Amino acid sequence: EAQVTQNPRYLITVTGKKLTVTCSQNMNHEYMSWYRQDPGLGLRQIYYSMNVEVTDKGDVPEGYKVSRKEKRNFPLILESPSPNQTSLYFCASSLTAGPNEKLFFGSGTQLSVL
Amino acid sequence: KQEVTQIPAALSVPEGENLVLNCSFTDSAIYNLQWFRQDPGKGLTSLLLIQSSQREQTSGRLNASLDKSSGRSTLYIAASQPGDSATYLCAVRPNYGQNFVFGPGTRLSVLP
Repeated sequence: EAQVTQNPRYLITVTGKKLTVTCSQNMNHEYMSWYRQDPGLGLRQIYYSMNVEVTDKGDVPEGYKVSRKEKRNFPLILESPSPNQTSLYFCASSLTAGPNEKLFFGSGTQLSVL
Repeated sequence: KQEVTQIPAALSVPEGENLVLNCSFTDSAIYNLQWFRQDPGKGLTSLLLIQSSQREQTSGRLNASLDKSSGRSTLYIAASQPGDSATYLCAVRPNYGQNFVFGPGTRLSVLP
């Protein structure tokens, strides 16, 4: 089944403890992206990647890192999480960034930083 | 900077009604526009994508239109069903490779 898989689904951690949220897609997509969703602020892009070894900042990149060493994986790293990073996180991918390419989303990771 | 708004924020209708959800964007120079559905606690599912050069797209009971000159898109849902209850978001991609800009969504409830 074609899908975007995120893990974990739920994560509770403490301030300053490094964490990684994994994202994997099995559709051979070139384009991958991370979003956070907050009440009243909607969905905002954190980082995106046009292909392997190509990443760029989105609208809210502060406090986050990403890497794209393989086409299928695009992990999101929080080196020193803070409470303002408590949010619902989504990974998304599309075949390319072309005009007719739909965006496929993972099921989300609910992160709470205490 | 592109901004996307959606009206209404919430909508409740009886089953069987035809309904229209609205999406407005401030910059008419867009690459494409997508409509998504989000169920509570779940990810987003792409419903329809309209390229900049297109005026509308249809899938089953859903029809999305695009009027770039006025900065508007509408999602028409025919013969609504309780299973259509969800939040519907529109998103605009300003140009190739640029970030999607999402609207805040319309929360739809279809009552049996």
